[in-house]
Parts: sequence; structure tokens; C-alpha cells
Amino acid sequence: EVQLAQSGGGLVQPGGSLRLSCVASGFNFNSFGLNWVRQAPGKGLEWISYISGSRSAIFYADSVKGRFTVSRDNAQNSLYLQMDTLRAEDTAIYYCARDELIAGSLPGLDSWGQGVLVTVSS
Amino acid sequence: DIQMSQSPSSLSASIGDRVTITCRASQNIINSLNWYQQKPGKAPRLLIFAASRLQAGVPSRFSGSGSGTAFTLTINSLQPEDFATYHCQQTYTTPLYTFGQGTKLEIK
Repeated sequence: EVQLAQSGGGLVQPGGSLRLSCVASGFNFNSFGLNWVRQAPGKGLEWISYISGSRSAIFYADSVKGRFTVSRDNAQNSLYLQMDTLRAEDTAIYYCARDELIAGSLPGLDSWGQGVLVTVSS
Repeated sequence: DIQMSQSPSSLSASIGDRVTITCRASQNIINSLNWYQQKPGKAPRLLIFAASRLQAGVPSRFSGSGSGTAFTLTINSLQPEDFATYHCQQTYTTPLYTFGQGTKLEIK
């Protein structure tokens, strides 16, 4: 069974930093790209970052570019999101999600972590 | 950037009803459109990929259609477990994804 277990959320002051973790099990970790998706309170989903299995491709949404850094440790089956210079508008539930090529070529986020709440407030 | 918009933002329906949710893209995305279901306090669940293909394990009362810029998610014969929020996602610019704002389906 594919599982993604998240940790690291919490309350942080504006301008502060936080690191989220996502530990995977049940699949060949380094064969899959992974995403971070967030959801502000009462709002829709916002994709914020992607990292390929080999770490050769990394992308960010404009809203977090230059402040957030995605990384992965394939030996530890772990995905990370380092969040710096946090703002109130970064307050959200953060999800990690596996990027699957369904039927060999059709992208979809087929497995998700449970989500962690990040609150940026003084 | 490709913008996605859903309508309605919310709707009320009864058990057994047929409901349709619409998602529009700001430019032609061919059939690069997924639908997700999200229940309160839970992560989203992939329902439909490539506009019309049902993800494994998803009941056949769910269906998707459309291409280009206009897409629909239809749920036939609503069941109690279907009351949730539904999100569309464009995958045309994969992996730089964009989601719609969500449609909340409530019990009438």
C-alpha cells in the first residue's frame, strides 16, 4: 500500500522558517516525481512545487519561488520542503502528493499525504 | 499561466439526484484535465484523469467529459458519501499544475 506520512507543521512568526517532511512507503520511491500542494483556509488547492525522482527537474509556483526549497533523500524515502521568509498568506494545509503517469503517460496526483497545518502569525 | 475556473462554487442536491460541475480553462488544454474529490479534513482523492477516464476503484456513477476549454464532471444517482468538494486540475503544463477554486456539493 502506498503511504505518504507528513510531519513538521506548526505555528511560526512572519519572516520565520519551517521544514516539512514527507516519508513514503509502499512504492519504488526514486521512480516517482513528488509535489507539494497547499490549501489556505476555506480556499482551493494551490500547486507549489515539484521534484522529479532523480532530482534533475525542480519547479516552483511564482508565489513561493525564492523562498521555498524542495528536496528529497531517495535513500531515506523522504521528501522535504524548506520554507523561509514565511508570510501570513502562506498559512495553509500543506500536502505532499505522488505524481503518477497513469496508463503510462497521463499525469495525476494519485496518492497524498495526510496534510499538515502551517500557521504564520505573530 | 493557465487559469482554471469552476462553476458553481457550491450547490445543493438530494440523494439520488444527478449533478454536473463545470470547469473551464483559460486556453486550450486538449484533454489534460483531472478531477479530485475532497472530504472535510481529508486529502484530495483522484477521481478522473485525462478528462474522461475513471481512476481505479472509483464508482461508475462518476463520469467526466469535455475537451479544449470546457469540461464537466457528472455524478449520477448521488449517494451520501458523494457530498464533498470537487476540484479540477489542468495537467497540460505538467508538472506546473493549476487547480480550479473548488465546488462544494452539499445535501439539500
